[in-house]
Amino acid sequence: DIRVTQSPSSLSASLGDRVTITCRTSQNVDTYLNWYRQEPGKAPELLIYAASSLQSGVPSRFSGSGSETDFTLTISSLQPEDFVIYYCQESYSSPQFTFGGGTKVQIK
Amino acid sequence: EEQLVQSGAEVKKPGESLKISCKGSGYSFTNYWIGWVRQMPGKGLEWMGIIYPGDSETRYSPSFQGQVTISADKSISTAYLQWSSLKASDTAMYFCARRYVSNGYYYYMDVWGQGTTVTVSS
Repeated sequence: DIRVTQSPSSLSASLGDRVTITCRTSQNVDTYLNWYRQEPGKAPELLIYAASSLQSGVPSRFSGSGSETDFTLTISSLQPEDFVIYYCQESYSSPQFTFGGGTKVQIK
Repeated sequence: EEQLVQSGAEVKKPGESLKISCKGSGYSFTNYWIGWVRQMPGKGLEWMGIIYPGDSETRYSPSFQGQVTISADKSISTAYLQWSSLKASDTAMYFCARRYVSNGYYYYMDVWGQGTTVTVSS
């Protein structure tokens, strides 16, 4: 099974800051890597698929990069609605998937 | 509008059985896999398994194999997650989600249900 590790598990940042979240997989997944955001008590929402493709309707301040085992999600300028939890997910094993442990972005 | 609507919150006792549902609308339900995801209180997302409603092919995460049953009734565009004997540790929010395919090989979950809260307590 593929293991997916996110770091950091939490971070504190200010409005307007640039933040980067890292996701590492235990084996090569090419670019089969997705990113989601989740607000408390709500369903996850897709941000990025195929490592770097922005889902329709997602603001351009979000970007993804990486391939094989190392990936990053970058938010170029934090907005109030960005202080939520982010998850990566490998889809190389589809139809099975594995999520990372999540990164909580908090206001400093 | 493409959507998945899940059944309401449940409160059960240990040992009881339960079946929760996820009804699709606005798209061809039989053509897309439906996955289930668990989120225990204050914890992250855990992949449970997935079903293809067209032929009911099902795959389980090793962590959930034998612990739950995933099924679907394509005639009413509904997928199910069921337990035969609940434990307190099954207390969680459960989400269903549709697997979408882009460019023929990139997979992701694009439509999500609103979640069903399951509470198991004596």
